[in-house]
Amino acid sequence: NAGVTQTPKFQVLKTGQSMTLQCAQDMNHEYMSWYRQDPGMGLRLIHYSVGAGITDQGEVPNGYNVSRSTTEDFPLRLLSAAPSQTSVYFCASRSPLLRDYGYTFGSGTRLTVV
Amino acid sequence: KQEVTQIPAALSVPEGENLVLNCSFTDSAIYNLQWFRQDPGKGLTSLLLIQSSQREQTSGRLNASLDKSSGRSTLYIAASQPGDSATYLCAARGSNYKLTFGKGTLLTVNP
Repeated sequence: NAGVTQTPKFQVLKTGQSMTLQCAQDMNHEYMSWYRQDPGMGLRLIHYSVGAGITDQGEVPNGYNVSRSTTEDFPLRLLSAAPSQTSVYFCASRSPLLRDYGYTFGSGTRLTVV
Repeated sequence: KQEVTQIPAALSVPEGENLVLNCSFTDSAIYNLQWFRQDPGKGLTSLLLIQSSQREQTSGRLNASLDKSSGRSTLYIAASQPGDSATYLCAARGSNYKLTFGKGTLLTVNP
């Protein structure tokens, strides 16, 4: 199994540009989530999904959109990038909902907004 | 709101030493607690998961304990090696499926 795959690994954006960070898992996990990691702030939850067609906001959702059309994919969209969104982004998944075997994380996307 | 604190923020030890990393959480109503390792510039690797009904979990030289009533978890690393150098993160999972992370302990094991 590939686990949780994130693309791209690195990205530089100009302020105002849009982009989508991709996250895919092949473990048939129901729960998927996005975190950002910033120095001194730790990991903070952006958005999460408990299944296809269901998404909800986390701690820091502003500036980000998500959708979950399939079990496998959970893309994160930045509609108009800002320097404050410079961060490392991690996607995570977990299953099943009723029996928690812990979270699996992707290797991250390092985003710089200039 | 759950808050997770890890002490110390950084730790430097000589090779071979046994060490303990601490994690405390404010809301004892957790489903489980997970310890991760993060190498510089890399993702998170799961080390141990302790369910709320368990007291401890072991994997090789690692042992994690959980005391829900006091809001504490510890990660014990036996016979530390330079390859153990990394940032160690603990995360508490609440009833809403969300993980709350501590800020981590940066461990350096010196040869």
